[in-house]
Amino acid sequence: DSGVTQTPKHLITATGQRVTLRCSPRSGDLSVYWYQQSLDQGLQFLIQYYNGEERAKGNILERFSAQQFPDLHSELNLSSLELGDSALYFCASSVDQNQPQHFGDGTRLSIL
Amino acid sequence: DAKTTQPPSMDCAEGRAANLPCNHSTISGNEYVYWYRQIHSQGPQYIIHGLKNNETNEMASLIITEDRKSSTLILPHATLRDTAVYYCIVTSDDYKLSFGAGTTVTVRA
Repeated sequence: DSGVTQTPKHLITATGQRVTLRCSPRSGDLSVYWYQQSLDQGLQFLIQYYNGEERAKGNILERFSAQQFPDLHSELNLSSLELGDSALYFCASSVDQNQPQHFGDGTRLSIL
Repeated sequence: DAKTTQPPSMDCAEGRAANLPCNHSTISGNEYVYWYRQIHSQGPQYIIHGLKNNETNEMASLIITEDRKSSTLILPHATLRDTAVYYCIVTSDDYKLSFGAGTTVTVRA
């Protein structure tokens, strides 16, 4: 158990819909990272927050957005969903930016 | 970020040491070498990391060559539960992890 909690574990929805994925970091961790893992793209970094502020962006689509709240939990919002958005979405957290990241078990998103 | 090269797959006998190589010839002075593994579709698990010196923890040892252009992850006594995809990642100031294809390690009884 990494200490990072992601909900829901599974999500099934339709094209065009909007979903929110939630992540609770390990106690004391200030940094939260989001990653997407699809069959054809592998594990890809999406975005990072540190103590509530966006710090780095990766290959995140404009239809996707994220935020980190004062209690340090984070949400990843995916809108106008397409079939290609079907993937595993992982959240990771770390104490500080230059420390190992610890991953949650992911949310499996299926778009029908 | 510096790129890494790993063999696509390797087999290991249960109870034996598993030595996983990684080349990172373009690594720069402030870049760390990180190792993660992913078992099936679970979240990646942190194993170990280092900058210049060899490192050891309860899971593994990391040997980094003097010129820092390559490293080896050593699992001292592989078990069936060590079967996973192992990722060698070089990261610097932006701290994001760039996962490649990794090495699929199969531990056989």
